[in-house]
Amino acid sequence: QVQLVQSGSELKEPGASVKVSCKASGYTFTRYAMNWVRLAPGQGLEWMGWINTNTGKPAYAQGFTGRFVFSLDTSVSTAYLQISSLKAEDTAVYYCARDFKRSSFDSWGQGTLVTVSS
Amino acid sequence: QSALTQPASVSGSPGQSITISCTGTSSDVGGYNYVCWYQHHPGKAPKLMIYEVTNRPSGVPDRFSGSKSGNTASLTISGLQAEDEADYYCTSYTGSSTVFGGGTKLTVL
Repeated sequence: QVQLVQSGSELKEPGASVKVSCKASGYTFTRYAMNWVRLAPGQGLEWMGWINTNTGKPAYAQGFTGRFVFSLDTSVSTAYLQISSLKAEDTAVYYCARDFKRSSFDSWGQGTLVTVSS
Repeated sequence: QSALTQPASVSGSPGQSITISCTGTSSDVGGYNYVCWYQHHPGKAPKLMIYEVTNRPSGVPDRFSGSKSGNTASLTISGLQAEDEADYYCTSYTGSSTVFGGGTKLTVL
């Protein structure tokens, strides 16, 4: 069955970087786009952008340009989210989600909590 | 792209029906039949409940139904059950991106 398994929780200091992984299994990785969604404390789900798993081309939502980078390693069916120059307001749960049809996310990772604190 | 507008909260008693609205614009909800609804229990992964406005993925009870009129989509849950208590989010395709609603907390009284 389709499964997305994310890396574990991270505690980082302000200014550091973090890389979250999302390993896919149960389907052909390059056939479906991968999206990233953020859930900040007390907020709702927020779309961060997506990466074309065929071409590796990313697209970022407003507010997620510059410090946020989506990447892939198709040899291990894994998508990555890297956040640099971390700020306290980056503290959130980050989800990867498979897009099976025009922004329809049918499979989600379990979420990765990133906490930014000194 | 502004977030889609959802009521902050709705409530209902077991067995009753509730409807959650999701209002956008002609550039998102009104312009495409790619509206989804997700159920999110805190601490768990969101779950797709409705896609393409009205379609239910396999395994989703038929108590959940979706509709759309103009720029507003709706999720109706009939025969409310305790386990339906969760946050619900709508999304829409915009032609080049995805936009989420602000989320609605459903309380089953």
